[in-house]
Amino acid sequence: AQSVTQPDIHITVSEGASLELRCNYSYGATPYLFWYVQSPGQGLQLLLKYFSGDTLVQGIKGFEAEFKRSQSSFNLRKPSVHWSDAAEYFCAVGHILTGGGNKLTFGTGTQLKVEL
Amino acid sequence: NAGVTQTPKFQVLKTGQSMTLQCAQDMNHNSMYWYRQDPGMGLRLIYYSASEGTTDKGEVPNGYNVSRLNKREFSLRLESAAPSQTSVYFCASSRAGGNEQYFGPGTRLTVT
Repeated sequence: AQSVTQPDIHITVSEGASLELRCNYSYGATPYLFWYVQSPGQGLQLLLKYFSGDTLVQGIKGFEAEFKRSQSSFNLRKPSVHWSDAAEYFCAVGHILTGGGNKLTFGTGTQLKVEL
Repeated sequence: NAGVTQTPKFQVLKTGQSMTLQCAQDMNHNSMYWYRQDPGMGLRLIYYSASEGTTDKGEVPNGYNVSRLNKREFSLRLESAAPSQTSVYFCASSRAGGNEQYFGPGTRLTVT
């Protein structure tokens, strides 16, 4: 069965500092990987996705993630954090369903706090 | 283009009451999903509908039923609410294949 581990429950960084959020997955084949962001009281917004090809994926809001098959990881990075990046971040692995769609398994999330 | 919409935004129920959460999408997506979000547990899949006319159980289906009313709408019903169903419920939709899911704004449900 697929699973996702986000080992950091909370992370605090200073505005302007770099950021790396960790994600490790377990999946039997080539994974479909996603990072979503959730602001308080809001739904989830897709930051970026990996399906195949280039292992360094660019997303919205200046985020990027690198797929490392040997480490079963898909860590999210940003070179310089802005106060507006404070939110909860979720990593997810997808499994294509027979008949269409895909089943996402989410990690438990990392809460990012940005100090001014 | 509203994306995924959910009603209501908030709801308080007493134990044993029933209710239906509504979800609609205007992106012509084939697949729709219901999740619940609880603190420290991420999102867990309750039910999904891979295509119109089909529904299947997810990770935590007990106490819930769903109806895929048409391609646009996918409802979640609690027949007899329990305090353990206090949660935030999200509906999502996607195209076929391994594409990303688009999420609604959520329904915050409290069962007393």
